[in-house]
Amino acid sequence: DVKVTQSSRYLVKRTGEKVFLECVQDMDHENMFWYRQDPGLGLRLIYFSYDVKMKEKGDIPEGYSVSREKKERFSLILESASTNQTSMYLCASSLRWKNEKLFFGSGTQLSVL
Amino acid sequence: GQQLNQSPQSMFIQEGEDVSMNCTSSSIFNTWLWYKQEPGEGPVLLIALYKAGELTSNGRLTAQFGITRKDSFLNISASIPSDVGIYFCAGRGYSTLTFGKGTMLLVSP
Repeated sequence: DVKVTQSSRYLVKRTGEKVFLECVQDMDHENMFWYRQDPGLGLRLIYFSYDVKMKEKGDIPEGYSVSREKKERFSLILESASTNQTSMYLCASSLRWKNEKLFFGSGTQLSVL
Repeated sequence: GQQLNQSPQSMFIQEGEDVSMNCTSSSIFNTWLWYKQEPGEGPVLLIALYKAGELTSNGRLTAQFGITRKDSFLNISASIPSDVGIYFCAGRGYSTLTFGKGTMLLVSP
């Protein structure tokens, strides 16, 4: 089975801090994604990557950046965390571009105080 | 971007009841997917649909790809307590997946 591992289950940070969320997948998938999930808003795509060192903006990229230096690892970066970035963050991967079967991690609940 | 309308937002039912939920879009999709998210976990794929009119089952779950390609339905028969969770539809046009806002299902024993 594909395993997508997010480094932290819960994080508490202060406003203005730089925050790194890490995600690792173990099935050599080409594509990786970062979503945020908020009550009543569903899953919204922040950024995705279809290859090492490649990145594409999703629907809500403002305030975020990403890094993909290795195929298996995709990092989400909040340069200066703000309270409106308090959310559940979900990482996902898929085998090929436009391969529909996304495999999700368990999520990181980030609270920015 | 594209938007999906998923309904109902939530359902509270008795064990043994059948459940229906649906998603509609103003855009045509080439693929419809249904995911389930249990508390504290990420979404897990339940059913994938690739062709207009397609009807696919996975145990007690049945999903259909609407003929117009703008909607999809998920039915759960004879619900059990472990069906509790949030169910998401997702559609793909020519780019990334678009997710619905989810249907929260609660099942009373």
